[in-house]
Amino acid sequence: DAGVTQSPTHLIKTRGQQVTLRCSPKSGHDTVSWYQQALGQGPQFIFQYYEEEERQRGNFPDRFSGHQFPNYSSELNVNALLLGDSALYLCASSSTGGRNTEAFFGQGTRLTVV
Amino acid sequence: GENVEQHPSTLSVQEGDSAVIKCTYSDSASNYFPWYKQELGKRPQLIIDIRSNVGEKKDQRIAVTLNKTAKHFSLHITETQPEDSAVYFCAASSVWGNQFYFGTGTSLTVIP
Repeated sequence: DAGVTQSPTHLIKTRGQQVTLRCSPKSGHDTVSWYQQALGQGPQFIFQYYEEEERQRGNFPDRFSGHQFPNYSSELNVNALLLGDSALYLCASSSTGGRNTEAFFGQGTRLTVV
Repeated sequence: GENVEQHPSTLSVQEGDSAVIKCTYSDSASNYFPWYKQELGKRPQLIIDIRSNVGEKKDQRIAVTLNKTAKHFSLHITETQPEDSAVYFCAASSVWGNQFYFGTGTSLTVIP
């Protein structure tokens, strides 16, 4: 079991560009949540996908969008990148719609916007 | 929405001593409280969790207590070891599912 895998591990983008981050959940998990972790801060919830739909959303602008595929993998898209979008982006997977079950985190994608 | 506060932000203890990290939450509907350990450059890893129908849970040297009335929960690590050094995050989960609200983290240093 490979656990939760994210790609790429590191990424450098220019302000104004668009980026797509990918996540494959742990085997048996059907729910994917995305978090943004700024340096020295706790992870901030972006949104959650279950049954290929966005089910919950945190306080992030529409520049942040996502998708879940039939195989439960997920993408996070960020448009019109800002310097402040530089952070570690974490994907977490859980099972059965995520009802108070353990969430497993991927190793994250370190995004740097220059 | 939920607001989770965590204290202290940094904590240094001598090896073998105990460490206590405290968190408070605001939403009385939250009912799942995990604790994650994050080593430098690594993913957060669950170390212990507690649900609102339980007041205390132990796993070897780690314990968590929950006071629903006061809306606070704490992590206790006994007989600390250098490998316990890391950043620890508390979190609270919404009723619906794993929309975790995290605290700001506690950087624990265990001095040999």
